[in-house]
Amino acid sequence: DSGVTQTPKHLITATGQRVTLRCSPRSGDLSVYWYQQSLDQGLQFLIQYYNGEERAKGNILERFSAQQFPDLHSELNLSSLELGDSALYFCASSASQNTEAFFGQGTRLTVV
Amino acid sequence: GQSLEQPSEVTAVEGAIVQINCTYQTSGFYGLSWYQQHDGGAPTFLSYNALDGLEETGRFSSFLSRSDSYGYLLLQELQMKDSASYFCAVRVGSNYQLIWGAGTKLIIKP
Repeated sequence: DSGVTQTPKHLITATGQRVTLRCSPRSGDLSVYWYQQSLDQGLQFLIQYYNGEERAKGNILERFSAQQFPDLHSELNLSSLELGDSALYFCASSASQNTEAFFGQGTRLTVV
Repeated sequence: GQSLEQPSEVTAVEGAIVQINCTYQTSGFYGLSWYQQHDGGAPTFLSYNALDGLEETGRFSSFLSRSDSYGYLLLQELQMKDSASYFCAVRVGSNYQLIWGAGTKLIIKP
């Protein structure tokens, strides 16, 4: 157990809908990262927050947004969902921006 | 663009040694990480090389040559539980942003 908690574990929704994925980082970790992993693919970096502020942005679609709250948990919002958004979404956290990141178990999103 | 190349699949025998190669082309380079991922599970950290040379951690070793933009993960005394996908990832920024390879599926036969 990495100490990073993601909810829900599974999510099935229809095209056009909006969902929110939640991540609780390890206790004390200030940095949160979001990744998308499509079937049999590597992980695509989406976005990083550090102590509530956005620090790096990857290939994140405009339909997606995220935030990190004062208690350091983070949410990833996915809107106007398309079939191609079906994937595993991982959250990772680290103590600072320069230390190793630990991953949660992921949320498997299925868009039908 | 930025890219990492690693074999899609490698097969080895239990008890043997296997090497998984990774070549990269990125706009920035701070170091090369290796992660293990079992089917449907979370990636788990194996190693990180910032400098040239070999790092050994138990049965696993990782090598980096910055001049060749190349690294490898060496797994010794293979066990069935080592069957998983292995990803190389380049740290491209001070904020630990990672660019990932597509992964190598390691199949171990008894």
